[in-house]
Amino acid sequence: SQQGEEDPQALSIQEGENATMNCSYKTSINNLQWYRQNSGRGLVHLILIRSNEREKHSGRLRVTLDTSKKSSSLLITASRAADTASYFCATETQGGSEKLVFGKGTKLTVNP
Amino acid sequence: DAGVIQSPRHEVTEMGQEVTLRCKPISGHNSLFWYRQTMMRGLELLIYFNNNVPIDDSGMPEDRFSAKMPNASFSTLKIQPSEPRDSAVYFCASSFRGAGYGYTFGSGTRLTVV
Repeated sequence: SQQGEEDPQALSIQEGENATMNCSYKTSINNLQWYRQNSGRGLVHLILIRSNEREKHSGRLRVTLDTSKKSSSLLITASRAADTASYFCATETQGGSEKLVFGKGTKLTVNP
Repeated sequence: DAGVIQSPRHEVTEMGQEVTLRCKPISGHNSLFWYRQTMMRGLELLIYFNNNVPIDDSGMPEDRFSAKMPNASFSTLKIQPSEPRDSAVYFCASSFRGAGYGYTFGSGTRLTVV
């Protein structure tokens, strides 16, 4: 079952622009993670934000978390053609389960 | 480390045949996960192991699916008998102490059942 839902489903921008993807979830979480998947490849872990954190940065990535709204956003600044991929949010729910539940992803296209 | 290694990369089989997918997790990781990805259903968790013990297999769709982890460096996912609706990309992922530290995914096995 899907816990996270990404929005938009698809996003097309020009190189150099910023890309923002959103994720909403339903239940209380321990942490939320973002992954990238290039076409035909496995998923790559990008960043993890814990439930007691509000914002986190990693290079050109900025993630925010609003637990009151059960939502998160991923911002990619100064996008590059190489950022073209699908991006997934995944949540680890509270209650001790180790497993991650993934959303269906946002397909990002960065045009040169 | 070479990462999570899955084999085969591609598998085409006839309906009714047995299929075995293999996974070698990253050395030192103590959790292993099997996911299935389709366009319709996205990424679904099938089963996960912690310290070689199956913890949650609630995502395994039917009794036709089974998974084993005989030791810390090897796991298999078996489908017997296979059906066309099993066609998907199957991913194995491993992590240290579970999801709190992020997963490392393999490149996946693309299974086609004809």
